[in-house]
Amino acid sequence: QKEVEQDPGPLSVPEGAIVSLNCTYSNSAFQYFMWYRQYSRKGPELLMYTYSSGNKEDGRFTAQVDKSSKYISLFIRDSQPSDSATYLCAMNTRGSARQLTFGSGTQLTVLP
Amino acid sequence: DTAVSQTPKYLVTQMGNDKSIKCEQNLGHDTMYWYKQDSKKFLKIMFSYNNKELIINETVPNRFSPKSPDKAHLNLHINSLELGDSAVYFCASSQFPEAEQFFGPGTRLTVL
Repeated sequence: QKEVEQDPGPLSVPEGAIVSLNCTYSNSAFQYFMWYRQYSRKGPELLMYTYSSGNKEDGRFTAQVDKSSKYISLFIRDSQPSDSATYLCAMNTRGSARQLTFGSGTQLTVLP
Repeated sequence: DTAVSQTPKYLVTQMGNDKSIKCEQNLGHDTMYWYKQDSKKFLKIMFSYNNKELIINETVPNRFSPKSPDKAHLNLHINSLELGDSAVYFCASSQFPEAEQFFGPGTRLTVL
């Protein structure tokens, strides 16, 4: 079993829809949680970074972390065609290991 | 004013050759990384340096050798290239090992 599981999609939604992207993890040592957006043929770009359970909002993006269920989500409100990309969840432990473990990515297409 | 830059962007070479990829960051970060992204978009860490010291060295063939001449640079040298080395290689940096990571644009390596 992979440490981080992410639905690969692809996910296709109409413009204006609310998008929900999810990851589950098995390692309870993960303390830091990130969402990256990767456009085709580009490097991953950090969208959200959080280290506590609960919600964190930034514009149209909300990151949700539930450490008791080992589940994180990224919600995109009023989705736009420019949101079309691959979204990668990532998580990090605290301590000597300190390596970022990525999910496999969800490919999102927002149709105009 | 590129934060994390990599050269070259594309690299096409024959099996058995030796090649290098260079990475530079101008963010003043202490920690740098090399990742490999396969055709299924899965990002896997290869190496990490903190203050020029190797702190993560994942199970990577000995043909891959990182070198950090200073905190702002992390290069990757690959000996005796194989077909399976074809992938996109990303450099990243962070202020310290647990902090959010910023990625370069990637180097697309094709081994023929």
